[in-house]
Amino acid sequence: GAVVSQHPSWVICKSGTSVKIECRSLDFQATTMFWYRQFPKQSLMLMATSNEGSKATYEQGVEKDKFLINHASLTLSTLTVTSAHPEDSSFYICSARDGGRPDVGEQYFGPGTRLTVT
Amino acid sequence: AQTVTQSQPEMSVQEAETVTLSCTYDTSESDYYLFWYKQPPSRQMILVIRQEAYKQQNATENRFSVNFQKAAKSFSLKISDSQLGDAAMYFCAYRSGGGATNKLIFGTGTLLAVQP
Repeated sequence: GAVVSQHPSWVICKSGTSVKIECRSLDFQATTMFWYRQFPKQSLMLMATSNEGSKATYEQGVEKDKFLINHASLTLSTLTVTSAHPEDSSFYICSARDGGRPDVGEQYFGPGTRLTVT
Repeated sequence: AQTVTQSQPEMSVQEAETVTLSCTYDTSESDYYLFWYKQPPSRQMILVIRQEAYKQQNATENRFSVNFQKAAKSFSLKISDSQLGDAAMYFCAYRSGGGATNKLIFGTGTLLAVQP
């Protein structure tokens, strides 16, 4: 149980284009999902928190117009990197909290998406 | 603001031996959770162990156990009988209690190597 998937696992795009990354909770309803960015050999940096049906809350320094987050259903959140640049190349990870188990503090992580912008 | 500190960037252990990874945190809250996550080369984050702050008993999961010292704000992870598959980056994390949107605060990680 508590499986989170991400698609695609690896994407290469050209500078100036947009790319969408999907995060799905497969066997539970995720009222809250989180998006992280991770550079090589570094820790996870939280980008934003998304709640189903409402606007995402972005961390300080994260451009909300560049990293569009949509949490349209209880099982799907998407991150769209708009007008991608090479410096956006990174590993993006999503996680989700089980809305049916609010007493449990853990988050379930997706396998991550490697974005390369050429 | 809460902070999590992992002071050991890298550690090494011989197979079958025991290793302890350190983690300290700073908070003024009384209700919170602490976690250890493992990130192997595949980069999939795997929950190793969880500790609720209100529980005095240290959490254990098979070969993994924690030493939770609430007053000292210390949360170390002990791996017993280390195996080659334990080689990974380990992250300590803090989360405030209550509130579905409370975020995880991660330490900088400790890279564990297991020597055969």
